[in-house]
Amino acid sequence: QVQLQQSGPGLVKPSQTLSLTCAVSGDSVSSNSASWNWIRQSPSRGLEWLGRTYYRSKWYNDYAVSVKSRITINADTSKNQFSLQLNSVTPEDTAVYYCARDRGVLVPAEFDYWGQGTLVTVSS
Amino acid sequence: EIVLTQSPATLSLSPGERATLSCRASQSISSYLTWYQQKPGQAPRLLIYDASNRATDIPARFSASGSGTDFTLTISSLEPEDIAVYYCQQRKNWPLTFGGGTKVEI
Repeated sequence: QVQLQQSGPGLVKPSQTLSLTCAVSGDSVSSNSASWNWIRQSPSRGLEWLGRTYYRSKWYNDYAVSVKSRITINADTSKNQFSLQLNSVTPEDTAVYYCARDRGVLVPAEFDYWGQGTLVTVSS
Repeated sequence: EIVLTQSPATLSLSPGERATLSCRASQSISSYLTWYQQKPGQAPRLLIYDASNRATDIPARFSASGSGTDFTLTISSLEPEDIAVYYCQQRKNWPLTFGGGTKVEI
């Protein structure tokens, strides 16, 4: 059974960096048949896909245009986890953040496993 | 960006009734549509993939159909545990996008 366990602070100050980690069990972040995604949800923006990392002989990343200049997603194979960093946050980045597995191999498929979600509030 | 429009926003029904939820895409997405169920305080749960395929352990009362721009999720006989918000999501084009959701109340 695949499980994704999120961790990270729930409060971030404006202009600082939001950092979250998603620990994976039951699968490998280096799998050639999955990608590892971050998705957020807020009342104003709904569900919004932010980006992903995946391994296909080397590591690749894809990011949403809306956050591309501020986002980094990395995998740590030694800990079998992946992380989200979002720089220069504003109150508009306040949301519940989810990590999720996409079981697509060559193209995106569907998000079949999700983390529990982390409410991140951007406030001074 | 492909916009997904879900209707109605809220559906109020009684147990045992049939629920019909709609998702319309701003352009053709073939059958690259996924449905999720989200209960309060929980992450979304995969229900249906590729427009009509039930995910593992999803009860048979959930069915879905459609292709191109118009899609439907049907709950044949509503159970109290089906109270949730249902979202559609497309994977035809980048960026991956979600609909705004339909809340099902009993």
